[in-house]
Amino acid sequence: EAQVTQNPRYLITVTGKKLTVTCSQNMNHEYMSWYRQDPGLGLRQIYYSMNVEVTDKGDVPEGYKVSRKEKRNFPLILESPSPNQTSLYFCASSFSDLYNEQFFGPGTRLTVL
Amino acid sequence: GQNIDQPTEMTATEGAIVQINCTYQTSGFNGLFWYQQHAGEAPTFLSYNVLDGLEEKGRFSSFLSRSKGYSYLLLKELQMKDSASYLCAVPSGNTGKLIFGQGTTLQVKP
Repeated sequence: EAQVTQNPRYLITVTGKKLTVTCSQNMNHEYMSWYRQDPGLGLRQIYYSMNVEVTDKGDVPEGYKVSRKEKRNFPLILESPSPNQTSLYFCASSFSDLYNEQFFGPGTRLTVL
Repeated sequence: GQNIDQPTEMTATEGAIVQINCTYQTSGFNGLFWYQQHAGEAPTFLSYNVLDGLEEKGRFSSFLSRSKGYSYLLLKELQMKDSASYLCAVPSGNTGKLIFGQGTTLQVKP
């Protein structure tokens, strides 16, 4: 089944404890992206990747890192999480670039205490 | 810069027609997306308009006017399952960024 998977789906952590949210797609998509969704603010893009080893900042990249060593994986890293990073996170991918339909993962609900 | 405006909430009756508007300002227009998001779920793709005019897909249609910076999503024969948020999004210039509006939450009532 063609899909985007994210892990974990739910995470409660404490300030400063490094964490990684994994994202994987099995559709051989080139474009991948991370978003956070907060009430009243909608979906905001954190980072995106046009292809392997090519990543760039979205609108809200502060406090996050990403890597794209393989085409299928695009992990989101929070080196030192803070409470303002409590949010719902979505990973998404599309076939060649952002001018195509994006397929979203199920979401990761993160709480930073 | 980019700016997208959508109404925050709308209510409509089952079986009726509803139009959800989206206005945008962007440098270098490269199309406009509509996504549907049910509560607690991931967004799913509805449409992508690049040229002016109306594109119809079953009960859902999407309209674009590039000169007016305006789009709308038209939902016909509303069903209870259409209760969801509808997100308008535009690519940002020639970057790889995608800018979303805040979304319109549609409630369909019996």
